[in-house]
Amino acid sequence: DAGITQSPRYKITETGRQVTLMCHQTWSHSYMFWYRQDLGHGLRLIYYSAAADITDKGEVPDGYVVSRSKTENFPLTLESATRSQTSVYFCASMWDRGAGETQYFGPGTRLLVL
Amino acid sequence: AQKITQTQPGMFVQEKEAVTLDCTYDTSDPSYGLFWYKQPSSGEMIFLIYQGSYDQQNATEGRYSLNFQKARKSANLVISASQLGDSAMYFCAMSYDSSYKLIFGSGTRLLVRP
Repeated sequence: DAGITQSPRYKITETGRQVTLMCHQTWSHSYMFWYRQDLGHGLRLIYYSAAADITDKGEVPDGYVVSRSKTENFPLTLESATRSQTSVYFCASMWDRGAGETQYFGPGTRLLVL
Repeated sequence: AQKITQTQPGMFVQEKEAVTLDCTYDTSDPSYGLFWYKQPSSGEMIFLIYQGSYDQQNATEGRYSLNFQKARKSANLVISASQLGDSAMYFCAMSYDSSYKLIFGSGTRLLVRP
């Protein structure tokens, strides 16, 4: 049972480059989420998806693009990386919306933008 | 707007003692959920406990209990009989907008002393 995986786990890139972070879940969960974690801010929602081909912006979407052509995959793309996007990125998934439903998190991707 | 506040950046507790981590929230939605996650030094986010806004009883999960005081808008996490492995970052989170988006607090770092 692989659960939810993220790749790469670590990434160093340069300002202006395009970077794609991958997220894959094996549970067939409907909902998927991308968060970033910065010191002093906890986790903040970037984008989320309620199903394949349905995505929407979260709290901090600027500079990011997502797609969800298949239920199990939810890639996050930084179109032109900036130093302020240096962060730890977490993908999460959830079976369905409703009281008590829990989001399950991937192991995270540490991204450094030079 | 929704808000989660964790006012304790760091805390110490002696092994085998109980500890309370504070969390206050603000929302105008009548239906919401409160979650606690643990983040050890390895970085993954581990779900600990959930409390629904309509739940009459405080949630408990093993050594974890959630002290839910609705009128005060607080959802404190109580860890009984602390263990060295409890040393970690702890995040309080609240679900909103029909119970699937999460907003996180800034976290409390707990260190358990032997």
